[in-house]
Amino acid sequence: DAKTTQPTSMDCAEGRAANLPCNHSTISGNEYVYWYRQIHSQGPQYIIHGLKNNETNEMASLIITEDRKSSTLILPHATLRDTAVYYCIVRVHTAGNKLTFGGGTRVLVKP
Amino acid sequence: DAGITQSPRHKVTETGTPVTLRCHQTENHRYMYWYRQDPGHGLRLIHYSYGVKDTDKGEVSDGYSVSRSKTEDFLLTLESATSSQTSVYFCAISESTGTGDEQFFGPGTRLTVL
Repeated sequence: DAKTTQPTSMDCAEGRAANLPCNHSTISGNEYVYWYRQIHSQGPQYIIHGLKNNETNEMASLIITEDRKSSTLILPHATLRDTAVYYCIVRVHTAGNKLTFGGGTRVLVKP
Repeated sequence: DAGITQSPRHKVTETGTPVTLRCHQTENHRYMYWYRQDPGHGLRLIHYSYGVKDTDKGEVSDGYSVSRSKTEDFLLTLESATSSQTSVYFCAISESTGTGDEQFFGPGTRLTVL
């Protein structure tokens, strides 16, 4: 799986959009971009994934650049409960394929 | 939230004792996984299962065994617990589809081996 690079930490104001960047310059054509988050002391939580088109669900939006070398996770209206470590993961869709979590971005949403 | 439970949620045991952790799902997903999470190491895959009685090793499988006799249950056994197995253990499930194989995680089991 391709390696990803994320900022170590970032702050966000409650009610504002949070934009989390991720670089994955070595991504292969068959690799998807996945985002997970882990709130303190809880299990990781799936957020969203995409291949090359932008994706949106009830939690977030995922914007992938045309060359697929980077992406941005957007939390449209951050709340205090969005404070967590966010992980960007690049992987192929292989049955039973493990998830490899890097350092992630520690996001602190402030009132 | 995906229907995944883990038991026990917390356990303290002594070195050399056997320990079994249970993961139970109500989603009828085919794939189940056991990870451990330690500071500085992130999540590491211990074992996974791709069906009843079908299991395979992950990257840190030494000292662990698993069993899956029913779709809904995946057991992780530490035959003789060691202090290095003190960790938080997460179970996950997934069902590969044509568009994704997102994994859903349980709440975790915090194991302390004294």
